[in-house]
Amino acid sequence: LAKTTQPISMDSYEGQEVNITCSHNNIATNDYITWYQQFPSQGPRFIIQGYKTKVTNEVASLFIPADRKSSTLSLPRVSLSDTAVYYCLVALSGGSYIPTFGRGTSLIVHP
Amino acid sequence: DAGITQSPRYKITETGRQVTLMCHQTWSHSYMFWYRQDLGHGLRLIYYSAAADITDKGEVPDGYVVSRSKTENFPLTLESATRSQTSVYFCASSVGAGPGANVLTFGAGSRLTVL
Repeated sequence: LAKTTQPISMDSYEGQEVNITCSHNNIATNDYITWYQQFPSQGPRFIIQGYKTKVTNEVASLFIPADRKSSTLSLPRVSLSDTAVYYCLVALSGGSYIPTFGRGTSLIVHP
Repeated sequence: DAGITQSPRYKITETGRQVTLMCHQTWSHSYMFWYRQDLGHGLRLIYYSAAADITDKGEVPDGYVVSRSKTENFPLTLESATRSQTSVYFCASSVGAGPGANVLTFGAGSRLTVL
């Protein structure tokens, strides 16, 4: 299994850019990196997925360096509503697929 | 309605009783999952299913039973509930292969309290 490591918590302020890094040292060649967001009392919600370089959508950007041993979720100009837990997952290539979430990163955005 | 629905949303039961949490999805996704989430923990996988009649254990399967006779339904049964099974339970589904393999869609959750 490709294990992921993220910071337990982060703090930021409204209007700032937030970068959350996820380490995945033993990621396989065909694995994808996926990020989820979870608000209190709700199920996680898919944010973004990437394989290499950079992916951007209306919510976030995902930066993946060439060695793919880590990835960074970037949230531009956060607001209070971005306060949530963010999870990084790595898809397994071949064999059984078992999505493992871990504890995620708790982001608190302050006024 | 399209989507993934869980029922009941809230349930209070007593130790030793049997409880079944229902999960229904309308996309014909191959994969379905059950997770539990407790304070201080992330989501922990209980069971998953790759297709109808195919199920497998996750990280914390003890005390739970699942079945999947139809693609769209994936019920989770606690045969004899214990207080340690008090938790929020989330069902999820995905297409299960290729780039979509890691794109899970979650239900709203079922909050279970065992007294």
